[in-house]
Amino acid sequence: QSVLTQPPSASGTPGQRVTISCSGSRSNIGINFVYWYQQLPGTAPKLLMYRNNQRPSGVPDRFSGSKSGTSASLAISGLRSEDEADYYCAAWDDSLSGYVFGTGTTVTVL
Amino acid sequence: EVQLVESGGGLVQPGRSLRLSCAASGFTFHISAMHWVRQAPGKGLEWVSGISWDSGTIDYAVSVKGRFTISRDNAKNSLYLQMNSLRTEDTALYYCAKTLSCTGGACSDYWGQGTLVTVSS
Repeated sequence: QSVLTQPPSASGTPGQRVTISCSGSRSNIGINFVYWYQQLPGTAPKLLMYRNNQRPSGVPDRFSGSKSGTSASLAISGLRSEDEADYYCAAWDDSLSGYVFGTGTTVTVL
Repeated sequence: EVQLVESGGGLVQPGRSLRLSCAASGFTFHISAMHWVRQAPGKGLEWVSGISWDSGTIDYAVSVKGRFTISRDNAKNSLYLQMNSLRTEDTALYYCAKTLSCTGGACSDYWGQGTLVTVSS
């Protein structure tokens, strides 16, 4: 059972803005950096965000990350059909001495 | 071109062992922290284990601690996962990855295609 909680699903129409939340605790999100991954069907995960709000080279600026207290969020603006995927947050957990992934959110473009 | 190629997966009975390997190329493996991440069929991602570039820091998920051992051979650009006392709940696609562990500068993100481990009698 994951210690990072995400909503199971999120959806929007093309062009809309969608936000995915990731709720944790002090031992993980509260004091450590948050990562976000995108997993398209049948493929390996891809890093979308690191250090809470930093985008790796090649990730569109439609994707943005933020963190406040023990929660983090990933926002997708200008939603596109190719954004349909599963999204996961992750963070180091000091209590567990290991990384933890979120429960995952499936984004659907209506 | 960056490549991470996992091997060693297969069907194994509960209680038995399996050793996964990951061959790396196209990046500076010998100075990279590496991780194993797994995904059970139809389920989410689960971090399994991570190892620093010099094997000086090794961490495990609670679910595998005491049963799995991560190791690396920088001379061979290879990462390993020795899995003992396997359980049915260890059934998953196991990914080798250079990800997470982003402590400074830009963050690299490389994943293999995964190797499937099925634990069943």
